[in-house]
Amino acid sequence: DAGVIQSPRHEVTEMGQEVTLRCKPISGHNSLFWYRQTMMRGLELLIYFNNNVPIDDSGMPEDRFSAKMPNASFSTLKIQPSEPRDSAVYFCASSLREGWRGYTFGSGTRLTVV
Amino acid sequence: DQQVKQNSPSLSVQEGRISILNCDYTNSMFDYFLWYKKYPAEGPTFLISISSIKDKNEDGRFTVFLNKSAKHLSLHIVPSQPGDSAVYFCAAGGNQFYFGTGTSLTVIP
Repeated sequence: DAGVIQSPRHEVTEMGQEVTLRCKPISGHNSLFWYRQTMMRGLELLIYFNNNVPIDDSGMPEDRFSAKMPNASFSTLKIQPSEPRDSAVYFCASSLREGWRGYTFGSGTRLTVV
Repeated sequence: DQQVKQNSPSLSVQEGRISILNCDYTNSMFDYFLWYKKYPAEGPTFLISISSIKDKNEDGRFTVFLNKSAKHLSLHIVPSQPGDSAVYFCAAGGNQFYFGTGTSLTVIP
C-alpha cells in the first residue's frame, strides 16, 4: 500500500487566494483526520470523518476553512480566503475505523501564505 | 486550551544513555495514549501505545509509563541511539486523539 497520499507537498500562495489541500487515505480505512501542525499548538485536530461523514469539525479555526470527503478515497481541505497566519504544515491521517488507535499519517502539505 | 502538554520542547542525550520524554493531559476520560515519532519532512509514525487499564507497556528499547492519578505519561528510550533523533508527539483520547506540541530529541553520538 502506498500509504496516505497528500498533495501538494508544498504550496505557496498569496494572501486572499483560495487553497485546496488533497488527501487520499489508505484503501479500506474508514476514518480520516485533518491535522495542522504549528510550533505553538503542536498537532491540532481540525476535523475528522467516519465513513465519509464529518463527525467533529470543532477544531476548524473559522469559516474560511472547509473540508469535504465526497467518497472513501478522497478528501479536501479548502481555505478561502487564505491568510498569512494559516501558514503551517497540514497533515491528513487515516485509520481502520473510528476509535482504532493506529493512525497512519501522510507526509503533509507545507502551506506558506505570503 | 491544550488538552495534552509536552512541556519540554527539546532534549539532548548522549548515545547509550536513557531518554525520558514527558507528557501531561487534562481529561480524565481519556482511555488510550499514543506516542508518535516524526522525522523532518515526513508525517508522524506510530511508535507505542498504552491503554488506561495498564501502567506500563514495553516494546524493545521503548517503554511507556502511565500514571493515571497524575494524568502523566512518559516514554523511556534505552539505550538511546542517534537514529532516535526526531520529534516525539504524545497523544491522548479515545475516538479521536489530541496531540501535544512535541519534544525534539537529539541523541549525541
